[in-house]
Amino acid sequence: QSALTQPPSASGSPGQSVTISCTGTSSDVGAYNYVSWYQQHPGKEPKLIIYEVSKRPSGVPDRFSGSKSDNTASLTVSGLQAEDEADYYCCSYTTSATFVFGTGTKVTVL
Amino acid sequence: EVQLVESGGGLVQPGASLRLSCAASGFTIEYYWMYWVRQAPGEGLVWVSRLNGDGSNIAYADSVKGRFSISRDNANNMVYLQMNSLRVEDTAVYYCARELGGAMHYWGQGTLVTVSS
Repeated sequence: QSALTQPPSASGSPGQSVTISCTGTSSDVGAYNYVSWYQQHPGKEPKLIIYEVSKRPSGVPDRFSGSKSDNTASLTVSGLQAEDEADYYCCSYTTSATFVFGTGTKVTVL
Repeated sequence: EVQLVESGGGLVQPGASLRLSCAASGFTIEYYWMYWVRQAPGEGLVWVSRLNGDGSNIAYADSVKGRFSISRDNANNMVYLQMNSLRVEDTAVYYCARELGGAMHYWGQGTLVTVSS
């Protein structure tokens, strides 16, 4: 199972929005609505910020939103804040009953 | 408060075995799918394995299938990852996680496994 494709980096100024894409195939992203997104700060464990494409766990700000179209999922961070600077990973359930993560995107707040 | 605490990592030689443990508190693991995810130094996240509440439904990544075995002890609220025939490329921080809607919701702090001669 190949990793889902994400851009290596993305950036934006405070208050702006940044969108990260996550491209898979009809065997993973396109097959189910089980796409999730994780935020990871250096040296810390990942944090779930989006599950089932667009749902937010309790406590996650509504500045984080997710969507999906065909084989590509997207994460949008609106109103960028300094603490949003982190690595972001997408993840999808697959038709093989396994999971696959994305390659990861480093978000920089300028 | 939900907590997951991994242990059992360490330095081993190629071909050796290691068993990782994940101690859960604040919830009963019997009602949740549980996962193992790893991250090599400086690299991205890689899904390793998951099992359901009664341990009857298990899946593995191709890279560990036949070498790793996931299990659970619901009575003691523990999840395990038995790792055999370890390779240099298995070197990583291993995280235990609890499911929410087909995702990994709560995570432990991870335990480092280093495979080197």
